[in-house]
Amino acid sequence: DQQVKQNSPSLSVQEGRISILNCDYTNSMFDYFLWYKKYPAEGPTFLISISSIKDKNEDGRFTVFLNKSAKHLSLHIVPSQPGDSAVYFCAANNGGSQGNLIFGKGTKLSVKP
Amino acid sequence: GAGVSQSPRYKVAKRGQDVALRCDPISGHVSLFWYQQALGQGPEFLTYFQNEAQLDKSGLPSDRFFAERPEGSVSTLKIQRTQQEDSAVYLCASSSQGAGELFFGEGSRLTVL
Repeated sequence: DQQVKQNSPSLSVQEGRISILNCDYTNSMFDYFLWYKKYPAEGPTFLISISSIKDKNEDGRFTVFLNKSAKHLSLHIVPSQPGDSAVYFCAANNGGSQGNLIFGKGTKLSVKP
Repeated sequence: GAGVSQSPRYKVAKRGQDVALRCDPISGHVSLFWYQQALGQGPEFLTYFQNEAQLDKSGLPSDRFFAERPEGSVSTLKIQRTQQEDSAVYLCASSSQGAGELFFGEGSRLTVL
């Protein structure tokens, strides 16, 4: 059973508009969450993270929101740009196991000019 | 460059062959991780090293998979008697501190015929 779920395999957004990527998790022990971005034929690159003691973390055009009671987090990109087109992975860590990041299946974002 | 380097980028093996995949982490990073990414899936944890110590190998799918990092730097993932289900991209990542922000290599794409 998947512990980190990204239920939307793909998302298409117009340039300049907001992109919202969603992620749900089942393990209440997760205390650190990350978003990675992946272009074709490249490895994932770290985008933004959030600790469970916070409910929001912002970095430029990227904001991650965490709703612990709903076990849900989301990544907002505003304004979206064509260069943001990539696969976005949500990942979670329970802190107690330093090596084990659990990834979702990813959401492919397409930003149309 | 200064990033995580993996070789070979592409490997085609006949079923039953042994393969070895190499990872050069970022210099000074004590933590090294191996992940397996099947087509359309997110990366799945295989194993984790802190320096030369393999602290977690719970994700290795069978005893045909073996990883080592003898001097706490370069790591090798070996797959013996490859099977078709081993076909995937094998990602290596390193970190200066556990599974906080991981820096991924470009991956080694293994195809088993």
